Amino acid sequence: NAGVTQTPKFQVLKTGQSMTLQCAQDMNHEYMSWYRQDPGMGLRLIHYSVGAGITDQGEVPNGYNVSRSTTEDFPLRLLSAAPSQTSVYFCASSYGREGGKRLFFGSGTQLSVL
Amino acid sequence: SQQGEEDPQALSIQEGENATMNCSYKTSINNLQWYRQNSGRGLVHLILIRSNEREKHSGRLRVTLDTSKKSSSLLITASRAADTASYFCATVAPSGGYQKVTFGTGTKLQVIP
Repeated sequence: NAGVTQTPKFQVLKTGQSMTLQCAQDMNHEYMSWYRQDPGMGLRLIHYSVGAGITDQGEVPNGYNVSRSTTEDFPLRLLSAAPSQTSVYFCASSYGREGGKRLFFGSGTQLSVL
Repeated sequence: SQQGEEDPQALSIQEGENATMNCSYKTSINNLQWYRQNSGRGLVHLILIRSNEREKHSGRLRVTLDTSKKSSSLLITASRAADTASYFCATVAPSGGYQKVTFGTGTKLQVIP
């Protein structure tokens, strides 16, 4: 099992560009989520999904879009990148639809927006 | 807003000593989890304690939960250099039919060989 796989590991964008952060898991987890990690602020939830076709917003959803067409994949789209979106992004998954179980994390994507 | 706040923000100890980290939170929870993050890596789950449990052990880890004080502590006994990492508590509380996981700001632990 690969667990949770995130790509790319590093990305530099210019303000206004768009991109998609990829996340895939091979554990058949129904619950998937995206967090951003900023210095001194811990991890903040961006969006989450409790199954294919079902997504919802977290604490800091503005500027991000998600979709969940399969159980395995949960991509995060930055629509028009801003310097405030410079951060480290983590995808995490857990079994069960309702969440609250042990989370399995990917290794992260370090994003810089210039 | 952050649900969990860890204390201290940073901790430096000698190898072999015990390390204690604390987490305080604001609302009722279903469970509380502790995670470790090595530099440049993703978070790794350490232990989960349910709201009806008071203490839990896993190897050199001991977690306590006091729901009346809305606080938890993580004790690492006989620390090793490999324990150097950041440690985060995460609270799980019901939110709109689902369980919301909220992370604290973390404690950075340095274990000096």
